[in-house]
Amino acid sequence: QVQLQQSGPGLVKPSQTLSLTCAISGDSVSSNSAAWNWIRQSPSRGLEWLGRTYYRSKWYNDYAVSVKSRITINPDTSKNQFSLQLNSVTPEDTAVYYCARGLGITMIVDWGQGTLVTVSS
Amino acid sequence: QSALTQPPSASGSPGQSVTISCTGTSSDVGGYNYVSWYQQHPGKAPKLMIYEVSKRPSGVPDRFSGSKSGNTASLTVSGLQAEDEADYYCSSYAGSLYVFGTGTKVTVL
Repeated sequence: QVQLQQSGPGLVKPSQTLSLTCAISGDSVSSNSAAWNWIRQSPSRGLEWLGRTYYRSKWYNDYAVSVKSRITINPDTSKNQFSLQLNSVTPEDTAVYYCARGLGITMIVDWGQGTLVTVSS
Repeated sequence: QSALTQPPSASGSPGQSVTISCTGTSSDVGGYNYVSWYQQHPGKAPKLMIYEVSKRPSGVPDRFSGSKSGNTASLTVSGLQAEDEADYYCSSYAGSLYVFGTGTKVTVL
């Protein structure tokens, strides 16, 4: 059974960088059949897919248009985890952030526990 | 990429059926058979209930079923039970991207 354990600060100042990590157990970040996603949820924006990283003989990334200029998702094979960095945050980025495992890039099957990140000075 | 459109709310009495729609475009729902549905209880992470339009993961009751016609997908919950009261979200693959629905709150009367 796959488990995803999120970690990272719950408070970030405006204009700074939001950083979260998702540790994987029960699968490999280098799996040729999985994809590793970040998703956020807020009352104003609902569920919003942010992006993914996945390995298919080489590493690929896909990002949502809404955050493409500010987001980086990186795998860490030595620790079997992946991370989210979102730059230049504003209060609009306040949300519960989830990491999630996809089977291929067409469906999301497992979710982390969620992390509430508040952007405030 | 715009969010898929769902009705804000739906309701039914125990034992009845409720159907939730999810409307997209030919670039997402209509273009691929990769529609999923998620159930979310307050304070919890979403749970996959339906994938690839109509398939149920192991452990999901057969009271949950999915279908699609054109750019609109649907989730039907038959034989409503109290524990089915939750928010439901659809999602669709959209050609290297992924899009979620606006969400529907299902109330069991």
